[in-house]
Amino acid sequence: QQPVQSPQAVILREGEDAVINCSSSKALYSVHWYRQKHGEAPVFLMILLKGGEQKGHDKISASFNEKKQQSSLYLTASQLSYSGTYFCGTETGRGSTLGRLYFGRGTQLTVWP
Amino acid sequence: EAGVAQSPRYKIIEKRQSVAFWCNPISGHATLYWYQQILGQGPKLLIQFQNNGVVDDSQLPKDRFSAERLKGVDSTLKIQPAKLEDSAVYLCASSARLDQSTDTQYFGPGTRLTVL
Repeated sequence: QQPVQSPQAVILREGEDAVINCSSSKALYSVHWYRQKHGEAPVFLMILLKGGEQKGHDKISASFNEKKQQSSLYLTASQLSYSGTYFCGTETGRGSTLGRLYFGRGTQLTVWP
Repeated sequence: EAGVAQSPRYKIIEKRQSVAFWCNPISGHATLYWYQQILGQGPKLLIQFQNNGVVDDSQLPKDRFSAERLKGVDSTLKIQPAKLEDSAVYLCASSARLDQSTDTQYFGPGTRLTVL
């Protein structure tokens, strides 16, 4: 049930854009996005619930296509502070799996000046 | 507001020894999670508590791992005896979840365990 993230790694110059994808073989109830810097805790970015909504704050946004069981994270005009590993966590249902997140292997994003 | 606290931050032990990790969730958060994150991978859920009851421990290797959450607040995760493959970062997270709704999980800084 682990989601698949792509690409595995991205290297950008400051100001460039990036897209990180997360796909699941299971029907999704929600998708959670986190960023983790080396040696630190994962930091919450946003939650998307099924319904195809798009969310965003600052220059980071995300979409959720429940029909395709996919979510994409969009980083525009990237800044040095965006560097880190991005994880998607997927929630596939209710009942006994309530609250359980399955995390992908992560996408390592490096932004150079 | 204080975040999720964990201790120790680092621990080095030899295989077959035992080790314990402590977590203090965000005040008032009902749900507490323990994750194992092996280098280069995403976090993997080990156990989930709601208040002081276990909601999900299906991925916890119960022959060597145990966890408790007394009084619905702090939690302890123990490994006894440790194996080389237990080397990982152990992350604690908490959420305010009280009902059947999706909620944000907030992570602590983790404990990096090295088993020699």
